[in-house]
Amino acid sequence: DIQMIQSPSSLSASIGDRVTISCRTSLNIHSYLNWYQQKLGKAPKLLIHAASSLQNGVPSRFSGSGSGTDYSLTISGLQPEDYATYYCQQSYSNPPSFGGGTKVEIK
Amino acid sequence: QVHLQESGPGLLRPSQTLSLTCTVSGASLNGGGAYWTWVRQPPGMGLEWVGLIYHTGTTFYNPSLLSRISLSVDASKSQFSLTLSDVTAADTGIYYCARVFRQRGNDAMDVWGQGTTVAISS
Repeated sequence: DIQMIQSPSSLSASIGDRVTISCRTSLNIHSYLNWYQQKLGKAPKLLIHAASSLQNGVPSRFSGSGSGTDYSLTISGLQPEDYATYYCQQSYSNPPSFGGGTKVEIK
Repeated sequence: QVHLQESGPGLLRPSQTLSLTCTVSGASLNGGGAYWTWVRQPPGMGLEWVGLIYHTGTTFYNPSLLSRISLSVDASKSQFSLTLSDVTAADTGIYYCARVFRQRGNDAMDVWGQGTTVAISS
């Protein structure tokens, strides 16, 4: 099974900050990497698929990058509605696996 | 617009069998580049993939659940279901059903149900 290591596990940031979350995989997953946002009490929401493709309707301040075993999610200009937990997930091989999550909190 | 809705009992005793159903509206379960999955989330913890099913009935399961899990699909009712036997407190959490859509070879969970809370307690 492919292991997913997200970092940091939590961070504090201010409105307008640029925030970057990292995801490292135990094997090369060839950009088969998705990012989800989960707000408290809600279902996860797909933000980025295939490492860097923005899902329809997601604001352009969200972006994804990376290749091989190292990927990142960047929020350029944090907004109040972005406070949430973010998860990476690999779809390269079964079983699909999620990172442990990064909680983005208000500074 | 595609909508998924989970249903099932909220409280079970240890050793009982959990049965959940996901009802899909706005999309057919028969192919179209999509298949269907379950994800669960223990209280205060992260996401755990449970299993997936194609419209053909082909399944893949989380290896940690292999001896207890079964997924099925009924396209005529636009439903797919999860059965988990011999539950313990470790199976407590929110269970989500989701659609998995394949684009350019990458599979992503693009539509989720709201989730249903399952508690296992004696």
